[in-house]
Parts: sequence; C-alpha cells; structure tokens
Amino acid sequence: EPEVTQTPSHQVTQMGQEVILRCVPISNHLYFYWYRQILGQKVEFLVSFYNNEISEKSEIFDDQFSVERPDGSNFTLKIRSTKLEDSAMYFCASRETGDNQPQHFGDGTRLSIL
Amino acid sequence: GQNIDQPTEMTATEGAIVQINCTYQTSGFNGLFWYQQHAGEAPTFLSYNVLDGLEEKGRFSSFLSRSKGYSYLLLKELQMKDSASYLCAVRDLNNAGNMLTFGGGTRLMVKP
Repeated sequence: EPEVTQTPSHQVTQMGQEVILRCVPISNHLYFYWYRQILGQKVEFLVSFYNNEISEKSEIFDDQFSVERPDGSNFTLKIRSTKLEDSAMYFCASRETGDNQPQHFGDGTRLSIL
Repeated sequence: GQNIDQPTEMTATEGAIVQINCTYQTSGFNGLFWYQQHAGEAPTFLSYNVLDGLEEKGRFSSFLSRSKGYSYLLLKELQMKDSASYLCAVRDLNNAGNMLTFGGGTRLMVKP
C-alpha cells in the first residue's frame, strides 16, 4: 500500500539553526499538510498546500516557517531559526481529491532543539 | 474556533467492547474523522462520518449526531494491540485547506 514517507526520522539541531524536514506524499495525492505534536499534547495543524500554494496556515506557522514543493515528489517544511519550543514530532500528510478522502500521515520527524 | 473534547484515558478488558466519546463545537461542520495512534507513531485513519448515523468497518464502528455535536468510536472484540490513543478530528467548512482540528486523544489501555 502506498505511504507518505518522511526524512529524517530524528533531527537534532542547535537553537537558531535552520532545519529542513522532508516528505514524499503519496504519488497521486494533490493536497499536502504539515502538523506537529509536542510530546504529550494534541496534534496541531500548521499548513495546507495545494496547486503550488499555501491554502491555509495556523497561527503557529509564522514567518520562521516556509513550505516548498521543489519538484514533482518532495514537499518540505523549513524552519529558519529554530527555537527550543519548536521541539516536537512533525507529521506530513497527504490526501486525494474528494471531501470524503482521509489524510494519510507519514511516520513523522522527531525534531529536538538543543 | 473549534473545541473538541474526549476523555483522556480509558481502560477495558481483552474481548470486551469499548465506546470512546467525542463532543465538538464548530461553526461549519464538514466531517469528523477517527484516527488511531500508537505511541511514537503516525496517526492512522480509522473512519469518517459526515452524515448522522453509524458507519461500520469490521470491529470498528463510528457514530455521528450533528445536532448534538457528538460522535463515538465503538471497538468490539478488543485485542491487546488495540491499546493506543484514539484521536477525534473535525473538519470545518470555514477552513479553505480542509485542515483537521484534533482533540487531545483518548488513551485506551486493553488489559488481559
């Protein structure tokens, strides 16, 4: 069964450094998402992306965050200058066209900011 | 905004039936999803409801009442591997990107 893949599985970075989290959505999916989950807390929406542009973003997704679809398969999340509070599990998700289609999640990248 | 409430923890016995409730408040309800999440892993899709009533999928069923802002996930013939968190997530018409707003999850422990 096709799946969303994310790399790396764990990223450790010094505060203030830039990080890029990578995702390969399921190949026939057109809608892409990033969510994060701080340890022990709920899954929180960051951004949705369709047709090469952001369709919605949350308050968390400030100027330090950006997303890009650099080619036909990858979807990346960049955090420009990381803060301690950015430590979390970051999930990428994708879905097919159709309101009843569920979002399929990757296994996540655990980001640890030191 | 949206508010989604679920019990934090539940315990049940192997072979039994358990019902996990979810209540929500949203201005433009457009579907409710249930996901299962094992510790340290990704959420995996279980079920989707947008109309009132019961959706059955093997050992798992999900019910929705839009007028009450209420859903439940029913798990039958519980197995030890069903020990996980169960996440209720709501989609709102007012959100352009079809984003999901998640509840805090219900951690289910299945005991022998």
